[in-house]
Amino acid sequence: GQNIDQPTEMTATEGAIVQINCTYQTSGFNGLFWYQQHAGEAPTFLSYNVLDGLEEKGRFSSFLSRSKGYSYLLLKELQMKDSASYLCAVRDISNDYKLSFGAGTTVTVRA
Amino acid sequence: DSGVTQTPKHLITATGQRVTLRCSPRSGDLSVYWYQQSLDQGLQFLIQYYNGEERAKGNILERFSAQQFPDLHSELNLSSLELGDSALYFCASSTGQSETQYFGPGTRLLVL
Repeated sequence: GQNIDQPTEMTATEGAIVQINCTYQTSGFNGLFWYQQHAGEAPTFLSYNVLDGLEEKGRFSSFLSRSKGYSYLLLKELQMKDSASYLCAVRDISNDYKLSFGAGTTVTVRA
Repeated sequence: DSGVTQTPKHLITATGQRVTLRCSPRSGDLSVYWYQQSLDQGLQFLIQYYNGEERAKGNILERFSAQQFPDLHSELNLSSLELGDSALYFCASSTGQSETQYFGPGTRLLVL
């Protein structure tokens, strides 16, 4: 199985930057996904990393280091609407390509 | 809007009852996934269907079953419901067997 760890909560100020870390252990790594989920709503796909390095998408960037079993999601120029839970998910070849999700990091953006 | 639809949005029922949740994937997607999300458990994978066939199974209870029909929509059947089955049930779809999953709006089930 997978152990996926991410912080439970983070708070930041509007306009600031927040970095959400995710560490994982898996035997057949085949990609890491970040999703955003507002309370009571569906998870929304943000980013996908399968090779080491940084993927940038507007205000959001995601980084992966496969050797360290580590990823982060960087949220820049924070807006109030970014207050949500951010889910790290790992896909594992040895587990039928299933996605295993972390418990999520609740980000609160304050004015 | 992900293009994945789920009905109903809300469902209130009693213990011991049976319910059916329905999901229509995005146009062109062949895979459908079912997840359960409760407050204390996070997002848990239940089962995946690909083009009508069961592809992968997670921690799905024996009281739960699913199927995918020829038109690719899927149904999740929950029977002998217990209080602990109260949760959000999400359906997701992807083009193939392991591509990015896009989630539907979910069905909120409350078992009283």
